[in-house]
Amino acid sequence: AQSVTQPDIHITVSEGASLELRCNYSYGATPYLFWYVQSPGQGLQLLLKYFSGDTLVQGIKGFEAEFKRSQSSFNLRKPSVHWSDAAEYFCAVVNPDTGRRALTFGSGTRLQVQP
Amino acid sequence: SQTIHQWPATLVQPVGSPLSLECTVEGTSNPNLYWYRQAAGRGLQLLFYSVGIGQISSEVPQNLSASRPQDRQFILSSKKLLLSDSGFYLCAWTWLASKSGGYTFGSGTRLTVV
Repeated sequence: AQSVTQPDIHITVSEGASLELRCNYSYGATPYLFWYVQSPGQGLQLLLKYFSGDTLVQGIKGFEAEFKRSQSSFNLRKPSVHWSDAAEYFCAVVNPDTGRRALTFGSGTRLQVQP
Repeated sequence: SQTIHQWPATLVQPVGSPLSLECTVEGTSNPNLYWYRQAAGRGLQLLFYSVGIGQISSEVPQNLSASRPQDRQFILSSKKLLLSDSGFYLCAWTWLASKSGGYTFGSGTRLTVV
């Protein structure tokens, strides 16, 4: 079964600073990969997704993520963080080869942005 | 266009009371449907999924059950709620295909068991 690890529970960055949120997955082949953001008390919003092809994926709100097969990683990056980016971020994977096709989520990283 | 409706948005229920949360999808047919739960300060845990009418798979043993009486309706139930059932419940469906597609989540139900 696949699993997802987000090693950083909580990250604080200053507004305007760069950001990298880590995500490692465990899966035998190449899974489909997703990043979601959740603001307090809200549902999930998709930031970006990776299925195949170019390993650098562009998403909404200026986010990007890079798939590195050798490291089983799919880290999320943003060159300049805005105060409105404060939220919880979830990495998720899915095994596309089964009928189940359920997302497996990491435990999340809470981002705090300092002025 | 495809939409997903989930209700109610918030719910406060006493311990031992029954529960019924409903999720409906519009604009598609035969979707995979999912129920997730997010406990306070935790990630999202898959509770149930369904690949078709009457087909329910449970991911974790618990006090809850799910049903899919119609193609685009997914219901989460409990006969007697426990305090530990409190959390944020999300319904989702997928249109995942080969190297394309995605998932849509409902707006969630925040359940507080008191």
